Amino acid sequence: GQNIDQPTEMTATEGAIVQINCTYQTSGFNGLFWYQQHAGEAPTFLSYNVLDGLEEKGRFSSFLSRSKGYSYLLLKELQMKDSASYLCAVSDILTGGGNKLTFGTGTQLKVEL
Amino acid sequence: DTAVSQTPKYLVTQMGNDKSIKCEQNLGHDTMYWYKQDSKKFLKIMFSYNNKELIINETVPNRFSPKSPDKAHLNLHINSLELGDSAVYFCASSQERGDTQYFGPGTRLTVL
Repeated sequence: GQNIDQPTEMTATEGAIVQINCTYQTSGFNGLFWYQQHAGEAPTFLSYNVLDGLEEKGRFSSFLSRSKGYSYLLLKELQMKDSASYLCAVSDILTGGGNKLTFGTGTQLKVEL
Repeated sequence: DTAVSQTPKYLVTQMGNDKSIKCEQNLGHDTMYWYKQDSKKFLKIMFSYNNKELIINETVPNRFSPKSPDKAHLNLHINSLELGDSAVYFCASSQERGDTQYFGPGTRLTVL
């Protein structure tokens, strides 16, 4: 099974940098995803890490350490529109096809002026 | 262009009724999923189909029955609805053995 842990809430200031951590314990691992979910909307894909290290994509970066069971999502130059829930999800490849995502409970980020 | 679509967006019904939610994807993906997101925003996998075959069936009451008429569609039928079924249900799809899952807009089900 999977056990995924991330903070419930975080608050940050517009223009600042925030780091959202995720730790996991898994019986199978084939990568870690970060999704963004605004209130009342669908989760949207942000990043995917399968190898150790940092993946950078514009203002968002994601880091993975497989040996430590740890990932973080880094958001730079925060904007008000970044206020959302950020979901960490661990992926298992399925023998029948596709991949099974197990989600953490999400971190609700509030960006303030 | 809508990648993953679901109907209806909102569904309000009485306890004991039977209802269906439809999902379609035009991404050419082979694998589709149903997730339930409860009031605490926890997103949990329910079912997954790959090329019309069931490959994930989590611990879900058998009142829930998925049906995949073709690989672009995955519908969810729920019998004898209960109050605890109230949630947002998301459909998603991905390439076979691929990485990213793309989510539909969700269906908010309210059971009265």
